[in-house]
Amino acid sequence: NAGVTQTPKFQVLKTGQSMTLQCAQDMNHNSMYWYRQDPGMGLRLIYYSASEGTTDKGEVPNGYNVSRLNKREFSLRLESAAPSQTSVYFCASSDIWTGGQPQHFGDGTRLSIL
Amino acid sequence: AQSVTQPDIHITVSEGASLELRCNYSYGATPYLFWYVQSPGQGLQLLLKYFSGDTLVQGIKGFEAEFKRSQSSFNLRKPSVHWSDAAEYFCAVGAGNYGGSQGNLIFGKGTKLSVKP
Repeated sequence: NAGVTQTPKFQVLKTGQSMTLQCAQDMNHNSMYWYRQDPGMGLRLIYYSASEGTTDKGEVPNGYNVSRLNKREFSLRLESAAPSQTSVYFCASSDIWTGGQPQHFGDGTRLSIL
Repeated sequence: AQSVTQPDIHITVSEGASLELRCNYSYGATPYLFWYVQSPGQGLQLLLKYFSGDTLVQGIKGFEAEFKRSQSSFNLRKPSVHWSDAAEYFCAVGAGNYGGSQGNLIFGKGTKLSVKP
């Protein structure tokens, strides 16, 4: 009963370091998403992938890159971390019946950048 | 501009009592509407959605929501609350996967639900 799995769950980085957040889903969903959640801001879409082999920018893509490695996996990379990227990051997935909107979310990655 | 307002930041109800969480939206066309629940330390789970058709939609865990176009509302209800329903609830509006708006939901700021024994 895995659903959407995100690793790591917690991470502390120094400004300028890079890292990749991993996400995998086992529900055979076509679409996957990356969001960030900040206090008082709600969730904001960073990137999404409508299907394997495609990715598109969301509302707040600057400073991030993504890779849809296969149907199961969708990774988010911070090339040069900045304190403004301190946030909780959620990966999500969906099948076609949710109208292209996220259905299942992972438990999040809590990222602090010093 | 699209927006979602959840007027209640925190609500406390007794176990077994009924629940209504309010959500008002601003959107130019017919919206896609969603309710999500987030338990502490976890991700969001989709409770229910409205795309079109019957304005009363049923979701998981005994929740339902009613779309009222005239009031621009999509309130979430449950007839009898259980202690396990304590969580934060988010209303969201989106344009669906047409016009390049996939995944670009506008979320409300959330309503935290506490349940008294």
